Amino acid sequence: NAGVTQTPKFQVLKTGQSMTLQCAQDMNHEYMSWYRQDPGMGLRLIHYSVGAGITDQGEVPNGYNVSRSTTEDFPLRLLSAAPSQTSVYFCASRKGFEAFFGQGTRLTVV
Amino acid sequence: AQSVSQHNHHVILSEAASLELGCNYSYGGTVNLFWYVQYPGQHLQLLLKYFSGDPLVKGIKGFEAEFIKSKFSFNLRKPSVQWSDTAEYFCAVSYGGSQGNLIFGKGTKLSVKP
Repeated sequence: NAGVTQTPKFQVLKTGQSMTLQCAQDMNHEYMSWYRQDPGMGLRLIHYSVGAGITDQGEVPNGYNVSRSTTEDFPLRLLSAAPSQTSVYFCASRKGFEAFFGQGTRLTVV
Repeated sequence: AQSVSQHNHHVILSEAASLELGCNYSYGGTVNLFWYVQYPGQHLQLLLKYFSGDPLVKGIKGFEAEFIKSKFSFNLRKPSVQWSDTAEYFCAVSYGGSQGNLIFGKGTKLSVKP
């Protein structure tokens, strides 16, 4: 039982490049979400999904896309990376009230 | 908008000192309350949670929190901190049922001096 797995752990992108952050969970949780963590800002919700085929925007969705074709996977796409997207990204899955977090992806956009 | 406030940005304590970290949330009906801890370079781990019942909640590693509904508060406490408690602590709230999104405070960094 691996829990929530995020890849990659570290990534450096050039401005304008696109990439996909992967998130997979093996707990059969319906609810999954993406947060970004910035110093002094806490964690802010980017997008979330309450089940396969259903996604919705969180607090800071601009510049990011998501899809949920299976219960297990919830990838986050950066369409055209900008320096303001330099952050640590956490994926979480949840059943009921308790959330389980991945190890995070540290992304730097230069 | 619903929000969570953590009063202290950075707290510095000596070992064996008592800890209390403040957390207040905005009104929004039924709430579910959480404290998470993030050790340096690691992901968030759940310390404790409150859904209903006894407002004094005990968590892992000797931490506890008290839900005071009239004050919209959920403060985290520990009687005697250790150097290994050095971490960042996040208060989080979800409103309504189990599908409510988690809203996080900005975090409090705790540094414990040996």
